[in-house]
Amino acid sequence: DAGVIQSPRHEVTEMGQEVTLRCKPISGHNSLFWYRQTMMRGLELLIYFNNNVPIDDSGMPEDRFSAKMPNASFSTLKIQPSEPRDSAVYFCASSPSVTLGTGELFFGEGSRLTVL
Amino acid sequence: DQQVKQNSPSLSVQEGRISILNCDYTNSMFDYFLWYKKYPAEGPTFLISISSIKDKNEDGRFTVFLNKSAKHLSLHIVPSQPGDSAVYFCAARNYGQNFVFGPGTRLSVLP
Repeated sequence: DAGVIQSPRHEVTEMGQEVTLRCKPISGHNSLFWYRQTMMRGLELLIYFNNNVPIDDSGMPEDRFSAKMPNASFSTLKIQPSEPRDSAVYFCASSPSVTLGTGELFFGEGSRLTVL
Repeated sequence: DQQVKQNSPSLSVQEGRISILNCDYTNSMFDYFLWYKKYPAEGPTFLISISSIKDKNEDGRFTVFLNKSAKHLSLHIVPSQPGDSAVYFCAARNYGQNFVFGPGTRLSVLP
């Protein structure tokens, strides 16, 4: 089975442009997470969904960030307008169930965003 | 306000010796603790976990120890190998909800 698939792997854009990051979770997983990795803060949780419903978006930095999960096999993270401080690696992760067993997360390879 | 802390940003160890990575947490409600390993340009991958009701879990060369009274856990790798060189993240699960990660420790195993 394919792992978590993220696109694009790399994105370079100019300040003020809209950025959309995409994620396809592992089939059958019912929880999806968006994390951001920076040198200063490590891995920060931005938002997570359970059965396509956003459960906790308290980590979303500000209104410029939004995330959707229209169905069980697709999620997007959008930044509009983008700013240089948004430059980071954005990871999507899915889990079969966060309430059973360890609920371990399976991560995609990440989307490296650079905002000039 | 970091709930999961890894106070050593980096660690260097000689091949064959023991690597000890440390993690401290503040939230007593965490029910599972996990260690993830990350190579450059890849996503983190699960390494080993421990339930909050246990104090030790072992898997091959990797052992995780949990000291609940001290809110401290550690990952021991013995013997260390050059392929273990990576960034190690400590993570804690918030009672069946989300996962909180530490900032990571970069381990370098020197041949």
